[in-house]
Amino acid sequence: DTGVSQNPRHKITKRGQNVTFRCDPISEHNRLYWYRQTLGQGPEFLTYFQNEAQLEKSRLLSDRFSAERPKGSFSTLEIQRTEQGDSAMYLCASSLIHDTQYFGPGTRLTVL
Amino acid sequence: AQSVSQHNHHVILSEAASLELGCNYSYGGTVNLFWYVQYPGQHLQLLLKYFSGDPLVKGIKGFEAEFIKSKFSFNLRKPSVQWSDTAEYFCAVIPTGANNLFFGTGTRLTVIP
Repeated sequence: DTGVSQNPRHKITKRGQNVTFRCDPISEHNRLYWYRQTLGQGPEFLTYFQNEAQLEKSRLLSDRFSAERPKGSFSTLEIQRTEQGDSAMYLCASSLIHDTQYFGPGTRLTVL
Repeated sequence: AQSVSQHNHHVILSEAASLELGCNYSYGGTVNLFWYVQYPGQHLQLLLKYFSGDPLVKGIKGFEAEFIKSKFSFNLRKPSVQWSDTAEYFCAVIPTGANNLFFGTGTRLTVIP
């Protein structure tokens, strides 16, 4: 399968802990996006990269959130000092510039 | 506020019934429009997209959508649904100057055999 992959698929953590998620995009895609989806809502944009450059961050991305794409391939999203409100599905998507975004299966985060 | 609206939250149909799911957006200017589908336990998949040209767009699995610029709408249609169409359907927009998708809240479709 050469689609977008995300790990882990599920993460349960206690409030205050740090968590890190990984996204591996489709190999030739130079854009990578992170979205967050809560129950009953559509995905909401968090941030995106073009190659290794983080070009845009949403206001949803508080200073506890950080994302990297160090070599322009895979990306990590870290949440520090997790809060219960961070519980959500975190989705990664990749694309060529100005083209269709293809989504991964997501990482479901539960903060206890 | 600018948004994407899907007014049908849950639609229940019998097999072979016709489907129309509404999508309206409030962004001005040129927009790129998408319908994504999420089958139970699976990830979001693209059904169809509109960038320019013929406003009637055909997608996978017999779905189509019509872009009506004057109504800011991009409704999804299928003439005859199947049980396997049971899923959540999301309309999404990329407005002029943006790079990310703006999604509606989704419509859950249940098809009864």
